[in-house]
Amino acid sequence: GAGVSQSPSNKVTEKGKDVELRCDPISGHTALYWYRQRLGQGLEFLIYFQGNSAPDKSGLPSDRFSAERTGESVSTLTIQRTQQEDSAVYLCASSLSAGRPETQYFGPGTRLLVL
Amino acid sequence: QQQVKQSPQSLIVQKGGISIINCAYENTAFDYFPWYQQFPGKGPALLIAIRPDVSEKKEGRFTISFNKSAKQFSLHIMDSQPGDSATYFCAASNAGTYKYIFGTGTRLKVLA
Repeated sequence: GAGVSQSPSNKVTEKGKDVELRCDPISGHTALYWYRQRLGQGLEFLIYFQGNSAPDKSGLPSDRFSAERTGESVSTLTIQRTQQEDSAVYLCASSLSAGRPETQYFGPGTRLLVL
Repeated sequence: QQQVKQSPQSLIVQKGGISIINCAYENTAFDYFPWYQQFPGKGPALLIAIRPDVSEKKEGRFTISFNKSAKQFSLHIMDSQPGDSATYFCAASNAGTYKYIFGTGTRLKVLA
């Protein structure tokens, strides 16, 4: 693939519902990152995967948020019991390795609106 | 101490003018400072980056100026064009780590 892809591009859900967001990284990229971008704010780190190492979950805002990645492929970010404050753009990025932060390539994001 | 403060929040520049966006940080352990450009509906894309061993880096019309003693760095866009209209984010990290601390973004509009 040409770049990082994310799906869905937009998601509208009702408060209390669960949502699942998907990220397909660039082939061969071992590192994968999830960020949250609230309106008018910068990017907020959520979670990081590097190969088969234990993920860094230190940015997840609550236990309603979780993410998985199988090997060096697709990742899913799950938000359970969504709240209105979860409304944001969720961005995924991948890089060849964690030791070269300048090679982070971002996907277009998933715009989540919780009503 | 982990914050990166970015200003202005929005900027309007005439075509051909110079756009200047400023960022300031507190954490002296930061040693990698990238700038990202984001167009509507797209993810951020790396524009230019600098390490603190140099005071300036230039790539085409884009220049980063870095003042280590003041803990400030800025992006200058020379000969600004309408196609430069986008949101710009500064960031900081420790080189070799994966965590970026992002500024809040500057929405630039270049008038034709």
